[in-house]
Order: sequence, then C-alpha cells, then structure tokens
Amino acid sequence: AQSVTQLDSQVPVFEEAPVELRCNYSSSVSVYLFWYVQYPNQGLQLLLKYLSGSTLVESINGFEAEFNKSQTSFHLRKPSVHISDTAEYFCAVSDLNAGGTSYGKLTFGQGTILTVHP
Amino acid sequence: ETGVTQTPRHLVMGMTNKKSLKCEQHLGHNAMYWYKQSAKKPLELMFVYNFKEQTENNSVPSRFSPECPNSSHLFLHLHTLQPEDSALYLCASSLRGIYGYTFGSGTRLTVV
Repeated sequence: AQSVTQLDSQVPVFEEAPVELRCNYSSSVSVYLFWYVQYPNQGLQLLLKYLSGSTLVESINGFEAEFNKSQTSFHLRKPSVHISDTAEYFCAVSDLNAGGTSYGKLTFGQGTILTVHP
Repeated sequence: ETGVTQTPRHLVMGMTNKKSLKCEQHLGHNAMYWYKQSAKKPLELMFVYNFKEQTENNSVPSRFSPECPNSSHLFLHLHTLQPEDSALYLCASSLRGIYGYTFGSGTRLTVV
C-alpha cells in the first residue's frame, strides 16, 4: 500500500519569501500525484496535479511542483508567498497499481500548515 | 462552488440526538467518500462507496451509519454521538480516484 510523508508539519515564512513544502511517497511504478490546499473551515481544493508528461506542473496562483521519480518526491514550491497563501497543504498519491476498488484510491499525507507572516 | 455540496455547514447536536449529514454531487463521479478531520490529526477515511456499494469501512463506530441511495447522493446518519466525535466531516467524490477527488466544504459538527 502507498504511504505519503510530508516532512514538515508546520512551515512559517515571511511574506515575499520563497517556500518549499516537501512530500515523499513510497515507491510505485505508476502514480498520479496531487497537492490540495485547505483554508480554515473549508474543504480541500485541488491546487495542482501530475498525471503524465512534463514533470514540472504549475498552478494558477504561482505554485509549482516537480515529480521526481528517482527520489519518489513531489515537492511544492513558490518563489514569493503572500499572506493569502496561509493554509494547510496536503500531498496525495493515487496508486494505479492497486487492484479492484482500490485502483486510483488517494492516499493523503499528514498535511503541512503554511503560515505567512507580514 | 466546488461541485460537491454538503449540508448543513454547521451542526450542533446533543449526545442523544439523531441527525444526518448530506452530500450531493452532479459531476458524473462514481465513487464517494466520507472523511473525518479533527484538530491536529490527519485526515481519517471513514467510508468509501463505489457505484453505490460500500467498499470500505475503516472500523468506524456503529453510531455513524452511511447511506448511498444513488451515485449522486451520500448521507451520514448520526446517533448517540460522543463529544470526541466533534470534527469537520468532509465528503468527496471521484471518477474512481484516477484524477483526484473533489471535496465539499464540509460540515462542522459539535457534539455537546
């Protein structure tokens, strides 16, 4: 079964600083990878995803993540954060090797709380 | 609007009450999920339904009773809950998870 590790439970940064939220998953031949963002008292919203093709994927609000198969990582980065980026971020992996009803099932990491200070 | 609608957004109930949470999606998805999110704890998958059939129950206490009458609707019936059941309950749907899940905004449940 897949496992996902988000290496930092909390990441505090100052506004306009760069940030990296780390995500590692257990080895698998075929996976889809996702980052979700959750603002207070809301559900999870899809931020970006890797399905195939270019290993670098981008979101509309300046985040990017790079799929690194050899390191089984999918770290999320932003070169300059805003106060409004304060939220909890979840990395998730969809296992395409699982059979039956587990095919494509998402496994979530524990979440990383990003706090942007003025 | 995320495509998955959860009602109510907030619910306060006593330990002897019976209430239900509702989730609705019209995205053409065939899988639906209930998650529990408590403060400072990871997301907990409670139930999974594929094509209206329950395919996963992660040792959830019987005071939580799910119902999936069709692929678009999912309910979570609650009775004799405990204060530790207070949490944000999230519903999600997917096309068998292949392209990720779509989440609702959640129901904030407080058991008093």
